[in-house]
Amino acid sequence: GAVVSQHPSWVICKSGTSVKIECRSLDFQATTMFWYRQFPKQSLMLMATSNEGSKATYEQGVEKDKFLINHASLTLSTLTVTSAHPEDSSFYICSAPDGNYGYTFGSGTRLTVV
Amino acid sequence: GDSVTQMEGPVTLSEEAFLTINCTYTATGYPSLFWYVQYPGEGLQLLLKATKADDKGSNKGFEATYRKETTSFHLEKGSVQVSDSAVYFCALSPYSGNTPLVFGKGTRLSVIA
Repeated sequence: GAVVSQHPSWVICKSGTSVKIECRSLDFQATTMFWYRQFPKQSLMLMATSNEGSKATYEQGVEKDKFLINHASLTLSTLTVTSAHPEDSSFYICSAPDGNYGYTFGSGTRLTVV
Repeated sequence: GDSVTQMEGPVTLSEEAFLTINCTYTATGYPSLFWYVQYPGEGLQLLLKATKADDKGSNKGFEATYRKETTSFHLEKGSVQVSDSAVYFCALSPYSGNTPLVFGKGTRLSVIA
């Protein structure tokens, strides 16, 4: 079935640095990628929707300059957390429609900012 | 707007007990319905789905039926195992295509031996 590979699985970074999270669709073309953030013991919060070759659409309250999303190809979407702060620590998950009435999720990235 | 309501957890069951996690939805049109499972520290895995009324999704002993008349998609399993301990999310897709899923809040299930 459809697979989305998400890397890294976990990352620890210092405050003020930037971190890039990658999501690759391995056996299908992901024209759209959804990026979510999940706080402990909570549901997923949609951050933004990226479409290949165009600018991402951000949900209300999400800082587009802090969370840079790039979707340069049909198989790769990236989320860069810029100038990270401890409050950005969270679990980030990507998801793509797989063309079969379904959605495939990446395995998630645990970001810890120290 | 579209929304999903699922029963609050946590739910604690003994091994081999019967499981029901209620899920109801509000949507215009004819959404597709999903159950996803999340194990600790992992992403979401599709458990089952149904794309039209009266469809029954099933997988790994879990099943759910798309009930349009009651706008429900309750998850059931006849005999749970310790390995079923996870968080379960009910979700809907308003349209077939490139729209994000609408999630319920999730239900944490703990199965004890």
